[in-house]
Amino acid sequence: GDSVTQMEGPVTLSEEAFLTINCTYTATGYPSLFWYVQYPGEGLQLLLKATKADDKGSNKGFEATYRKETTSFHLEKGSVQVSDSAVYFCATGRHNAGGTSYGKLTFGQGTILTVHP
Amino acid sequence: NAGVMQNPRHLVRRRGQEARLRCSPMKGHSHVYWYRQLPEEGLKFMVYLQKENIIDESGMPKERFSAEFPKEGPSILRIQQVVRGDSAAYFCASSPPGTDNQPQHFGDGTRLSIL
Repeated sequence: GDSVTQMEGPVTLSEEAFLTINCTYTATGYPSLFWYVQYPGEGLQLLLKATKADDKGSNKGFEATYRKETTSFHLEKGSVQVSDSAVYFCATGRHNAGGTSYGKLTFGQGTILTVHP
Repeated sequence: NAGVMQNPRHLVRRRGQEARLRCSPMKGHSHVYWYRQLPEEGLKFMVYLQKENIIDESGMPKERFSAEFPKEGPSILRIQQVVRGDSAAYFCASSPPGTDNQPQHFGDGTRLSIL
């Protein structure tokens, strides 16, 4: 099955710093790739996704590009804010046989990001 | 437009008791997924259900755990004879039927503590 490896945290940055959180995956075929964010005491929220090679997902200033050749989906943001402090999860997903849903998602272990003023 | 609703948010049980976790998917969603998050770890898939059917239960422990998603009412994750190792956050997610490339939407989770 798929596996996802994320950069170990925690990551501590000052406000307006550049952020990179590395994510690599192993999988057969071409899964879809996701970044989810989890704020304290809450569930996961989809941050962005990419469904095929060279796709770039983007949302709220965050970006990640589906790199098939390096099996990576690194998350970047040019200028972080205190409000970006959260846990970030990279994940793979595959359509089920009928093509109607992703079935199970496979998550990395999560990276804790703390941004100081 | 309510999201995925899970209850209770926190559940405390003593060893040997039963735990029932409920999940109401988003309106119009007929696919439900359960994940478990152990402390300091990522989410691990447990089971994927559609109305009245278990589609994939490859992540469910072989004993004590069961899940259902009846025609009417919420999805239920049931843990019998709980043990300390069952302490975790359990998340439910849902997605709509018959639509390609639709991501899963997550609830806020149930934090289960075993005394």
